[in-house]
Amino acid sequence: GESVGLHLPTLSVQEGDNSIINCAYSNSASDYFIWYKQESGKGPQFIIDIRSNMDKRQGQRVTVLLNKTVKHLSLQIAATQPGDSAVYFCAEAYQGGKLIFGQGTELSVKP
Amino acid sequence: EAGVTQSPTHLIKTRGQQATLRCSPISGHTSVYWYQQALGLGLQFLLWYDEGEERNRGNFPPRFSGRQFPNYSSELNVNALLLGDSALYLCASSLGQGSQETQYFGPGTRLLVL
Repeated sequence: GESVGLHLPTLSVQEGDNSIINCAYSNSASDYFIWYKQESGKGPQFIIDIRSNMDKRQGQRVTVLLNKTVKHLSLQIAATQPGDSAVYFCAEAYQGGKLIFGQGTELSVKP
Repeated sequence: EAGVTQSPTHLIKTRGQQATLRCSPISGHTSVYWYQQALGLGLQFLLWYDEGEERNRGNFPPRFSGRQFPNYSSELNVNALLLGDSALYLCASSLGQGSQETQYFGPGTRLLVL
C-alpha cells in the first residue's frame, strides 16, 4: 500500500537543542522526498528535499538523511528556535503528480 | 516573487450546496495540484492539472472536479456538499510535470459545511 509514516507524533525540545524528526516510507521505488513545515492556519512550507541518489542534503540549519535500505528519512534541525514550532510533514513523490504525506509530527520548542 | 494564492480564505456552505475554490499558481508554473486536509488527517491528494488537462485524480468521488484555465490558474468544484467535506483545501503548483518537481503550497481555503 501507499504510506509514509512518522514514528513520533509529538516532539518537545528545549530552545537551542537539536531536533530530529523521523519518517518511514513504503514505496521502495520512490526517488524523491520532501519535508514541509506547516504553521497553524497556513499552508505547508517547503523546507528541503532529497533525491534517491543522495544520502544526505544540508540546508540552512536543516539536514535531511535518506536511508533507502530501511526506507527511512529524517529531518534534523540544528539549534532549534521557537519559530521552528510547527507540524512537520514528510512527503513521498509518487507517480502521477501525487505526493503521499505522513500524518505529521508536531514540534514544540520550549524557551 | 508571489507565491501560490487561493481564494476565498474561508467558505461556509450548507449540505447539498456547491463550493468553488480558486487557485493561482506561481508565475511560470504550469502544474496545479489540489489536496484535502481534513481535521486529524494528513494531506490527501485530490487532483492534478497540467497544461489545461486533468492528469491524475485521487480516491475521491466524481463530485470533486475542477479545471485549469489558459493562464494556468485553477478551480476546484465540490458538488452536493456533505458535512465530511469540511476541511482545508490546499493548492500547490510546480514548474513542470515530472514526479521530481517540487510542489509549493498556497495558504489554503477552509471550507465549512453546515
